[in-house]
Amino acid sequence: GNSVTQMEGPVTLSEEAFLTINCTYTATGYPSLFWYVQYPGEGLQLLLKATKADDKGSNKGFEATYRKETTSFHLEKGSVQVSDSAVYFCALKRETSGSRLTFGEGTQLTVNP
Amino acid sequence: DTGVSQDPRHKITKRGQNVTFRCDPISEHNRLYWYRQTLGQGPEFLTYFQNEAQLEKSRLLSDRFSAERPKGSFSTLEIQRTEQGDSAMYLCASSLPRGNNSPLHFGNGTRLTVT
Repeated sequence: GNSVTQMEGPVTLSEEAFLTINCTYTATGYPSLFWYVQYPGEGLQLLLKATKADDKGSNKGFEATYRKETTSFHLEKGSVQVSDSAVYFCALKRETSGSRLTFGEGTQLTVNP
Repeated sequence: DTGVSQDPRHKITKRGQNVTFRCDPISEHNRLYWYRQTLGQGPEFLTYFQNEAQLEKSRLLSDRFSAERPKGSFSTLEIQRTEQGDSAMYLCASSLPRGNNSPLHFGNGTRLTVT
């Protein structure tokens, strides 16, 4: 079946540090890949997406590249801010799943000043 | 765009009671989804509607759970005879049916605590 595996958290960084959150997936066919972010007390928000191999999604300084050969979609940011503290979820959607998402378990990021 | 609205934000109930949650999607979105999120886990799919039709249900949706979207607008999720294992955040999301890449917009969720 479809599954998403994220690196274990929590992750604690200092402001301006480089961020990588690993995400790998298992799926048949060619799924679309997403990163969602959940700030404290809020609902999930789409951060970025990629719909085919080698696509790079980017938003708010975050980037992730769809790597089919390694079945990965790692999230990166060159310089994190305190305001980036949140829980980050990697997710996939199969071609035929009618927009149903399969999520990873989430990675808590805390950025200290 | 007022976003996806869920009510209530929090619900505390005793085991064995019935509870009902409401979700109001973004007005032009005809797809509506329910997910459940337990502490430290990612959201798990429960069910989804396109307009008033319930097109898919997860195995997680036991017989005690029922979801409706009678007029293709708001939706309700009812849990009968609640159990402590039902304690979780219940998330609603909506989307447009633009192929399979239309992003989901999530509400802030209803947190259920069963005592």
